[in-house]
Amino acid sequence: QQQVKQSPQSLIVQKGGISIINCAYENTAFDYFPWYQQFPGKGPALLIAIRPDVSEKKEGRFTISFNKSAKQFSLHIMDSQPGDSATYFCAAIPNAGGTSYGKLTFGQGTILTVHP
Amino acid sequence: GAGVSQSPRYKVAKRGQDVALRCDPISGHVSLFWYQQALGQGPEFLTYFQNEAQLDKSGLPSDRFFAERPEGSVSTLKIQRTQQEDSAVYLCASSLATNAFMGEQFFGPGTRLTVL
Repeated sequence: QQQVKQSPQSLIVQKGGISIINCAYENTAFDYFPWYQQFPGKGPALLIAIRPDVSEKKEGRFTISFNKSAKQFSLHIMDSQPGDSATYFCAAIPNAGGTSYGKLTFGQGTILTVHP
Repeated sequence: GAGVSQSPRYKVAKRGQDVALRCDPISGHVSLFWYQQALGQGPEFLTYFQNEAQLDKSGLPSDRFFAERPEGSVSTLKIQRTQQEDSAVYLCASSLATNAFMGEQFFGPGTRLTVL
C-alpha cells in the first residue's frame, strides 16, 4: 500500500531550469512533510520540510508548495544546478504535532539529472 | 562532528546465513530508526528505539528480523536465515529528540546487503 505517491520517477532538466517533483498522500493523519536528498552511496539528508498550516515554504532555491484540500505537495528547485543531480524523496509523518516520534513514510523517489 | 556510522558498508551472504548490521548513532541521540531501502525505492520503516526501549517494531517483515539497542547507543539489526528478498540497503537514522517536530533524523550511509 503506497501511502505517499511520488512523480515523476525521473526528471532531466537543463542548468538554470526549474525542477518540479510532485507527491500525493491518502492518510489524513500525516501532518509533517519533509523532503530528502540522496546522493549515490549516501543516506538521505533533510532538505526542507513543511507543516500543513502553511501553503508554501521557501529556503534558498528550494520551495515546497502544499495543497491540504487536495492532499498534494510539491518541491520546486529554481535555477537547477548540476550539483543538484540526486534522488529526491518526499516523506510524511503522522500526528507529528502530537505524540509521534517521527516515523517516516517515503515516496518512491525521483532521480533528477541536471545537464550543464 | 561525527555523523551516524554503519558497518559493514557492504555484506554478501549466502542464502540461509545469519547477518548482523551495526549502527553507531550520533552521541546523545535518544531516538534511533532502522529503514530498509530496496533498489530503486524509497526507504521503508522497520523499527524504532527510544534509548534502549524498542517502542515500535511494526515494520519488521518477519520474525527472522531482530533489532536491539541494549545500552541506548549502538544498535544491531540481525537477520536470521537470510533470503534473497532481504537484499537491500539497510539505513539507520538517529535523532536528538523524541518528537517529530523537534528532531531531525540524521541518516547513516547504509549497509548494502546482497543475499546470493
